[in-house]
Amino acid sequence: QQQVKQSPQSLIVQKGGISIINCAYENTAFDYFPWYQQFPGKGPALLIAIRPDVSEKKEGRFTISFNKSAKQFSLHIMDSQPGDSATYFCAASWGTSGSRLTFGEGTQLTVNP
Amino acid sequence: DARVTQTPRHKVTEMGQEVTMRCQPILGHNTVFWYRQTMMQGLELLAYFRNRAPLDDSGMPKDRFSAEMPDATLATLKIQPSEPRDSAVYFCASGRTGTGGYTFGSGTRLTVV
Repeated sequence: QQQVKQSPQSLIVQKGGISIINCAYENTAFDYFPWYQQFPGKGPALLIAIRPDVSEKKEGRFTISFNKSAKQFSLHIMDSQPGDSATYFCAASWGTSGSRLTFGEGTQLTVNP
Repeated sequence: DARVTQTPRHKVTEMGQEVTMRCQPILGHNTVFWYRQTMMQGLELLAYFRNRAPLDDSGMPKDRFSAEMPDATLATLKIQPSEPRDSAVYFCASGRTGTGGYTFGSGTRLTVV
């Protein structure tokens, strides 16, 4: 119940295309769903996050879509750029009191010029 | 920008030696996490602290790993004795109660030979 399943493992997109990464969870107690972006040699960095009271959140070219009934959420990167090439992790936690994050397995995104 | 500072950035040590990794969380953050990242296991939670008290260290091999927060500005992760299977990147992250986002450090890349 603590797992977060992420797919695909790797993704190759052409510049200007849409990148879509999906995650699914089991624990209905999860109430915070962030996405992290990690470049080689760096730590994961918070990209965007959503709580289950909304179905979508958009920040610039990045959008999270959330489906509470299906227990799924996804990251959409519009107009993908070579600089977006990185590893993306979805995660989930519960409560706002600083609880642990459970991470997905990661998706290595490559955006070709 | 406020940063989580981890030292050392790289460590190569011989099997059986003691390894100490240090983390300076962001000032004002009261929750500190230690994660380990490997290709095979992804991001695994080792331990976390809230207000310097350990909340969960179930992810750590207790016989060789220990985590402490001697004060609010320092978290340490020790491995004694180290083994080749401990080779990984160890990340520290910090956050504040009531907010969901956590900030990761740049990690310590540990190689045990």
